[in-house]
Amino acid sequence: AQSVTQLDSHVSVSEGTPVLLRCNYSSSYSPSLFWYVQHPNKGLQLLLKYTSAATLVKGINGFEAEFKKSETSFHLTKPSAHMSDAAEYFCVVSGITGRRALTFGSGTRLQVQP
Amino acid sequence: EAGVTQFPSHSVIEKGQTVTLRCDPISGHDNLYWYRRVMGKEIKFLLHFVKESKQDESGMPNNRFLAERTGGTYSTLKVQPAELEDSGVYFCASSQDRANTEAFFGQGTRLTVV
Repeated sequence: AQSVTQLDSHVSVSEGTPVLLRCNYSSSYSPSLFWYVQHPNKGLQLLLKYTSAATLVKGINGFEAEFKKSETSFHLTKPSAHMSDAAEYFCVVSGITGRRALTFGSGTRLQVQP
Repeated sequence: EAGVTQFPSHSVIEKGQTVTLRCDPISGHDNLYWYRRVMGKEIKFLLHFVKESKQDESGMPNNRFLAERTGGTYSTLKVQPAELEDSGVYFCASSQDRANTEAFFGQGTRLTVV
C-alpha cells in the first residue's frame, strides 16, 4: 500500500521569507511523487514531479522539492514567498505498477502575510 | 489547448435525487480519472478509465455511483439516489498513456446534497 502524510495542515509565512511544506510518503514500490497546488476556485495544477531521475526537482514559480529516500520525504520549498503563493498544496504519490491512481496527502494551506 | 472541463461547477440537490456530472478530458488523453474530496478529508480516487474501459474502479464508494465513458471521450458520473454524505467536490483528471506522466485536473464540481 502507499500513503502520504503532510505534516502541517496550515503554514503561515511573511512575504519574502522561505516556504517549507513537509511531506512524508510510504510506498512499497519506487514511487513517483508530485506536488499539486490549488488556488481558490481553480483546478489542481502540477507544481513539480519526481520520477527517479534527479533527486532535486525544480518546478514552476520558483518551487523545488528534494526526494530523500532514507527519510521517505519529499518536502516542498521556495526561497522567497510571494502573495500569489497563497493556496492549498497537495503532496501526491503514484507508484503501484499498473495502477496509476494518485494517492493524495491531506493538503497544506499556505497563508502569506504582507 | 483546452484543459479538462467539468460541468456543472456547482450543483445543489435534495437527498434522493439524481445528479449527473460530466467531464471532458483533454483531447487525445486516453486516461480519465475521477476523484472526490469530501469536506475536511483527503482527495480520494474513485475510478480510472482507459479509453472506454474501466481500468480500476476500486475507489467507487457504493452502487449508487455509476461512471461511463462511452466512445472513450467525455465521461459522466451519476449519483442515484444521492445521500447527504455524497456532498463534496468531484474532480476529473486526464493524462496521456505514458508511465509517470502528469494528470491534468479540471476545476471540479461542488456537489451539495441537502
